[in-house]
Amino acid sequence: GQQLNQSPQSMFIQEGEDVSMNCTSSSIFNTWLWYKQDPGEGPVLLIALYKAGELTSNGRLTAQFGITRKDSFLNISASIPSDVGIYFCAGQKDSGGSNYKLTFGKGTLLTVNP
Amino acid sequence: GAVVSQHPSRVICKSGTSVKIECRSLDFQATTMFWYRQFPKQSLMLMATSNEGSKATYEQGVEKDKFLINHASLTLSTLTVTSAHPEDSSFYICSASRSGYGNEQFFGPGTRLTVL
Repeated sequence: GQQLNQSPQSMFIQEGEDVSMNCTSSSIFNTWLWYKQDPGEGPVLLIALYKAGELTSNGRLTAQFGITRKDSFLNISASIPSDVGIYFCAGQKDSGGSNYKLTFGKGTLLTVNP
Repeated sequence: GAVVSQHPSRVICKSGTSVKIECRSLDFQATTMFWYRQFPKQSLMLMATSNEGSKATYEQGVEKDKFLINHASLTLSTLTVTSAHPEDSSFYICSASRSGYGNEQFFGPGTRLTVL
C-alpha cells in the first residue's frame, strides 16, 4: 500500500535540543496526524491537523499542515529523555465510503541522550 | 475515555495452528475497527477495515481466507490468523473509531504473535 515519505529515519540528540521531522506525500490528504509509539505499545495520538496551513501546538510539540496538503512537519522543543520513541506521521482521506483509512509514514526513531 | 484493549498481549503458537486476537472498545461503541500489522522496525500497514455487522474490507495483498475478521458487536472485533506460519509473526494492532466523533482512530496496545 501507499506510504508517506518521512524523514529523518532516525535522530540522536542531546537532552534540551529541539527536533524537527517531516512527511511528504505525492497525494493530498484532508487530515494529517502525528503519533508516538513506545516499544511494544500501540501508537498514541500527539497532534491532529485538519486544515491546510494550520499550525497547532500541544505543549512542547508543534505541527503544521502544509498549504498544498501534501506535507506536514512536527517540531519538539527542549527535548527530554521521555521523548524517546518512534514518531509516525499519518495521512487521512475523507472520501465518503473510505472509512477514513490512515496511511502511515515509515517513522522517525528518536533517541535523547541525557 | 476512548480506551481500546487487545487480548492477548502476547501469543506463541506452533506452525499450522490458528490464533484469535480480540479487540475491544471499553467505553464507547466502535462503528468501525481497523486491523494493522507491524513488522520489526517498520511502519503500520493496514490489513482490513471492519464495520459492525458487515464483511470486512481487506487491503490489496491481504488474504481474507487467512486473516478472518469478525465484528459481531459494536465493542468487539476479532482477527483470526488461520494456519499460522513463521512469516505471520508480527505485531498486530487494532484501532477503533466511534460514531459521531469524527474520524479519529483510537489504537489498542497491540498483540505480539510469534509462530514457531
